[in-house]
Amino acid sequence: DIRMTQSPASLSASLGETVNIECLASEDIYSDLAWYQQKPGKSPQLLIYNANSLQNGVPSRFSGSGSGTQYSLKINSLQSEDVATYFCQQYNNYPPTFGSGTKLEIK
Amino acid sequence: EVQLQQSGAELVRPGTSVKLSCKVSGDTITAYYMHFVKQRPGQGLEWIGRIDPEDDSTKYAEKFKNKATLTADTSSNTAYLKLSSLTSEDTATYFCTTDSGYWYFDFWGPGTMVTVSS
Repeated sequence: DIRMTQSPASLSASLGETVNIECLASEDIYSDLAWYQQKPGKSPQLLIYNANSLQNGVPSRFSGSGSGTQYSLKINSLQSEDVATYFCQQYNNYPPTFGSGTKLEIK
Repeated sequence: EVQLQQSGAELVRPGTSVKLSCKVSGDTITAYYMHFVKQRPGQGLEWIGRIDPEDDSTKYAEKFKNKATLTADTSSNTAYLKLSSLTSEDTATYFCTTDSGYWYFDFWGPGTMVTVSS
């Protein structure tokens, strides 16, 4: 199975700041990567697919980039409603696997 | 818009089985592959398996092959996850989610919390 290593495990940032979350795959996943946001007590919601495609309805302050084994999620102009845990997921290889998550808090 | 409605929380005894449901509204279940994902308290996400309601074909993660059984009923637009021989390791929230053919998950249910305790 492909291992997905996310960093950092937790992150504290101020409102209006820009934050980056990284995801490293154990082998090339050819941009078959999705990002999810999970707010406390809620189910995950798809933010990004194909490494950089924004899901319908997701604010444009979210963006994804990367290739090969290295990917990142960028959140511009951090808002209070962005407090959540963020997960990456690869779907290039079976079975699909998730990163361990990055918990984002407001400073 | 597609919505997934999951069955309520379960408190079950070790060694028993439980069957969870996930009803699709807003579209036909056969438009999607249906997946279930496990999340232990405070932990990450773990893929369990997938069913194609069109032909009932299934795929499972290796560690769930003797634990989970996925079924679907197209007449009620509902997918099911049965978990057997329950232990404390099965205490978790179980989410159902859809895949339109690309193996990323676009719609999610609210989750069903399963607590295994004597």
